[in-house]
Amino acid sequence: DQQVKQNSPSLSVQEGRISILNCDYTNSMFDYFLWYKKYPAEGPTFLISISSIKDKNEDGRFTVFLNKSAKHLSLHIVPSQPGDSAVYFCAASEWQAGTALIFGKGTTLSVSS
Amino acid sequence: KAGVTQTPRYLIKTRGQQVTLSCSPISGHRSVSWYQQTPGQGLQFLFEYFSETQRNKGNFPGRFSGRQFSNSRSEMNVSTLELGDSALYLCASRRGAGTEAFFGQGTRLTVV
Repeated sequence: DQQVKQNSPSLSVQEGRISILNCDYTNSMFDYFLWYKKYPAEGPTFLISISSIKDKNEDGRFTVFLNKSAKHLSLHIVPSQPGDSAVYFCAASEWQAGTALIFGKGTTLSVSS
Repeated sequence: KAGVTQTPRYLIKTRGQQVTLSCSPISGHRSVSWYQQTPGQGLQFLFEYFSETQRNKGNFPGRFSGRQFSNSRSEMNVSTLELGDSALYLCASRRGAGTEAFFGQGTRLTVV
């Protein structure tokens, strides 16, 4: 039973445009959500997080939106750059209960110049 | 500030053998988690330790085990290796619940 789902295995975007990566979750107890970026042969790198008390969090070119009623979050990258090409993982946890981070299977983003 | 350190980086083992992987967390971080990454499966959670106690456990067979020492360093052991255990094993540390996890570069295990 996959609690965190990234239904798009890949996404291709042109440089300068917006990249939108999506993530759905099934566990209504999740209250803390994160996005990670991963290059081949490296560990994932933390990008941005959001708690369930917010519906939006911004950090530079990255914005995460949370829709609790739909159990959906998305990561917006504006403008997209070739260096953003990587695998992006969505993760969630029950902060109050102290559970581990549960990850989706990832979306491979390719930004072409 | 030193990051999460995993050793070794690469490992080749024979089916049936056992293996121990090591992880040193960021100084001050008391939580260490282990994940397995295989193609198409994303990061699958193995277990998490906090202050030497296993706090969370994923859905893996008993051949996968771990422990955490008083200095927060952690080891993961896989016994009776199978070909399907070939994967990138990632360790992550965090200060506590509700904080982001920082990952090491992983140990690439190949079982032949």
